[in-house]
Amino acid sequence: SQQGEEDPQALSIQEGENATMNCSYKTSINNLQWYRQNSGRGLVHLILIRSNEREKHSGRLRVTLDTSKKSSSLLITASRAADTASYFCATVPSGGSNYKLTFGKGTLLTVNP
Amino acid sequence: DGGITQSPKYLFRKEGQNVTLSCEQNLNHDAMYWYRQDPGQGLRLIYYSQIVNDFQKGDIAEGYSVSREKKESFPLTVTSAQKNPTAFYLCASSLQGGEKLFFGSGTQLSVL
Repeated sequence: SQQGEEDPQALSIQEGENATMNCSYKTSINNLQWYRQNSGRGLVHLILIRSNEREKHSGRLRVTLDTSKKSSSLLITASRAADTASYFCATVPSGGSNYKLTFGKGTLLTVNP
Repeated sequence: DGGITQSPKYLFRKEGQNVTLSCEQNLNHDAMYWYRQDPGQGLRLIYYSQIVNDFQKGDIAEGYSVSREKKESFPLTVTSAQKNPTAFYLCASSLQGGEKLFFGSGTQLSVL
């Protein structure tokens, strides 16, 4: 079952612009993670935000978490062509197995030079 | 060079054949996972292992089998009972449950 759902499904922007992707989920979580996947490659972990945190930063990445709305957003500032990839959110359920991360279908980000 | 190695990168299966995908890690992680990814879809969990000699079914285990005889290795066998095996298979590991996953580069399995 898909717990997280990313929005939009696809996003195309110009280099230098900011990109915002959203993730909604259905059940309570321990943490939420964002991953990046280049075409035909494995996923790379970007950032993990725990249920008691509201915002986290890592370089040009900013993640927010609103547990009351069961949603998260990933902001990439000053985007570069190399940021072109698919971005996935994944949730770790609370009250269930910590090993059963559930991934959304992803947002395909295209950054045009 | 620490990480996860998946092999082969491409694999072709004939009808009725079992095939095995290899996954090796040198990160000293206890937990290992197998995910399946179909085009335009997210990842779906096939099996996971919390520790050596132990593994549990994920959401789509039917037609697959695994073993965990060594900490470093978690091979996945796609059996002939899996009627729609064409997909991109990803292996991952983590230090413990709920923490970030480290992924291999994937194996694309196709049916001849």
